[in-house]
Amino acid sequence: NAGVTQTPKFRILKIGQSMTLQCAQDMNHNYMYWYRQDPGMGLKLIYYSVGAGITDKGEVPNGYNVSRSTTEDFPLRLELAAPSQTSVYFCASSTRLAGGYEQFFGPGTRLTVL
Amino acid sequence: QKEVEQDPGPLSVPEGAIVSLNCTYSNSAFQYFMWYRQYSRKGPELLMYTYSSGNKEDGRFTAQVDKSSKYISLFIRDSQPSDSATYLCAMWEGGFQKLVFGTGTRLLVSP
Repeated sequence: NAGVTQTPKFRILKIGQSMTLQCAQDMNHNYMYWYRQDPGMGLKLIYYSVGAGITDKGEVPNGYNVSRSTTEDFPLRLELAAPSQTSVYFCASSTRLAGGYEQFFGPGTRLTVL
Repeated sequence: QKEVEQDPGPLSVPEGAIVSLNCTYSNSAFQYFMWYRQYSRKGPELLMYTYSSGNKEDGRFTAQVDKSSKYISLFIRDSQPSDSATYLCAMWEGGFQKLVFGTGTRLLVSP
């Protein structure tokens, strides 16, 4: 199992450009998430999905869009990039544990908007 | 007030020390409590999880939950340089799978 994979690892964008961050998981998890992590701010939930075709907003969805056409893939779209979107982006998927559940994280995408 | 508070550190200790990492929270509905470890430039990985109050031990790691005080702790015994990482607490009410994370505490263990 590759687990959760993310591409690209790094990207520099100019203000106003758009891009898609790719995320894929091979564990057949229904739940998938996108977070951003800023220094000293912890992980903030951007969007999540409970299954193919079903997505919903998290805490900080403005400036982002998602789609979920398959169980495996959950891409995050940035439209009109702004410097405030400079961050590290993590994709995660989750499965139920006895007495809880575990989120598996990808390696992250470091995005800089200049 | 943030739902979950965690001291960002850094916390610097010598090898072999006992480390105590802590989080406080305000939402009394949280039932599940987790600790994630995040190495530099990597994604977080689940270290331990507990349900409700009490202790849970796994090797050198002990997770403790005190729901009456809304306080959770992670203890690391005989700390090693390889334990140097950021430790994030995370909490969940149950039902829909949405975690609330602390900001993380950076731990540095020197040889």
